[in-house]
Amino acid sequence: EPEVTQTPSHQVTQMGQEVILRCVPISNHLYFYWYRQILGQKVEFLVSFYNNEISEKSEIFDDQFSVERPDGSNFTLKIRSTKLEDSAMYFCATAYSGGARETQYFGPGTRLLVL
Amino acid sequence: GESVGLHLPTLSVQEGDNSIINCAYSNSASDYFIWYKQESGKGPQFIIDIRSNMDKRQGQRVTVLLNKTVKHLSLQIAATQPGDSAVYFCAENMENTGFQKLVFGTGTRLLVSP
Repeated sequence: EPEVTQTPSHQVTQMGQEVILRCVPISNHLYFYWYRQILGQKVEFLVSFYNNEISEKSEIFDDQFSVERPDGSNFTLKIRSTKLEDSAMYFCATAYSGGARETQYFGPGTRLLVL
Repeated sequence: GESVGLHLPTLSVQEGDNSIINCAYSNSASDYFIWYKQESGKGPQFIIDIRSNMDKRQGQRVTVLLNKTVKHLSLQIAATQPGDSAVYFCAENMENTGFQKLVFGTGTRLLVSP
């Protein structure tokens, strides 16, 4: 069964450093999402992406965050200058279409720890 | 505003029992709801969904009930197994947004004892 994959599985970084989290979507999926989950809390929407453009973003997704699909396969989330409060699990999700009732498939996540 | 919440943070059951996990939502405009299962160290896994024009939907060993009058959603798991132990999230999405933005609840941890 096709799966969304994410790398790395764990990332430890110093505050102020840049990190790039990578996601490989299911091959025929065109809609991409990033969510995060702070330890013990609920999953929160960050951004949705389609046709090389952000379609919607949350308040969390400030100027320190960016997304792109650099090579047509990977979908990346970049945090330019990490803060302690960016420590969380980051999940990529993908869907075949953007319809509100289209199932999103989640990757296993990247655990980011900012020291 | 948008908010999805759960009544119980932890539910402990015996293997073979039926489990019921509850969820309340506050956005009356929400018209699509999903239950996700999250095992330790993994991403959320789709279980079952329901549209607002339905009040019940059944899957394999799982049933979702939707009560729009009181804005309540429940997930019933029949004959609960140890492999069902996980955190269960309800999530909602509004039809009138151009793209999906899932709003997740806090989560309920289901513990199944053999």
